[in-house]
Amino acid sequence: ETGVTQTPRHLVMGMTNKKSLKCEQHLGHNAMYWYKQSAKKPLELMFVYNFKEQTENNSVPSRFSPECPNSSHLFLHLHTLQPEDSALYLCASSYGEDQGGQFFGPGTRLTVL
Amino acid sequence: QKEVEQDPGPLSVPEGAIVSLNCTYSNSAFQYFMWYRQYSRKGPELLMYTYSSGNKEDGRFTAQVDKSSKYISLFIRDSQPSDSATYLCAMNGGGTSYGKLTFGQGTILTVHP
Repeated sequence: ETGVTQTPRHLVMGMTNKKSLKCEQHLGHNAMYWYKQSAKKPLELMFVYNFKEQTENNSVPSRFSPECPNSSHLFLHLHTLQPEDSALYLCASSYGEDQGGQFFGPGTRLTVL
Repeated sequence: QKEVEQDPGPLSVPEGAIVSLNCTYSNSAFQYFMWYRQYSRKGPELLMYTYSSGNKEDGRFTAQVDKSSKYISLFIRDSQPSDSATYLCAMNGGGTSYGKLTFGQGTILTVHP
């Protein structure tokens, strides 16, 4: 595996389900990010982890819960989601000291029924 | 007013044309500027990364930053059908805004043979 991988690629869940999204980076980076991409809207930064410490929580509802066990893995735990949470969820990684150059995974297309 | 404004298009050009994509921004603290390309059903791919004002060239792509006008551009020379994608501008202020990229809405580009 190379780059940034995400699983699953597609997910359909009901509002009462609990599921998790997984991201893994194979680039030796030490910062990881979760973004939400909705139709006709800019990418929205959700969470930032630098050296496994969360440094940014961009006013995200508590039904989204991130977890970063090490600098290569990132999870997004989902529970009691709403239909408006349906979107493409993207994971990215970068070198901690690099202000740009974030590298993205292919995303998980989430549909909440 | 949005922090980053980007015309969503869509923009349709013939093969071989020069394409000009633009973003304006309002936050004078932005110092790092990026262009990403996103194909359908894929994650964004970093194309160009520049710091402060000036030009940067990479093959058929040229990125320009004019901080005095708060305006950035991406030029694509000799455009190809494979350039058909959504182009996203992104920027970051550095320092305490570490890792926090602000994206434009994206411009949908189609290059037809």
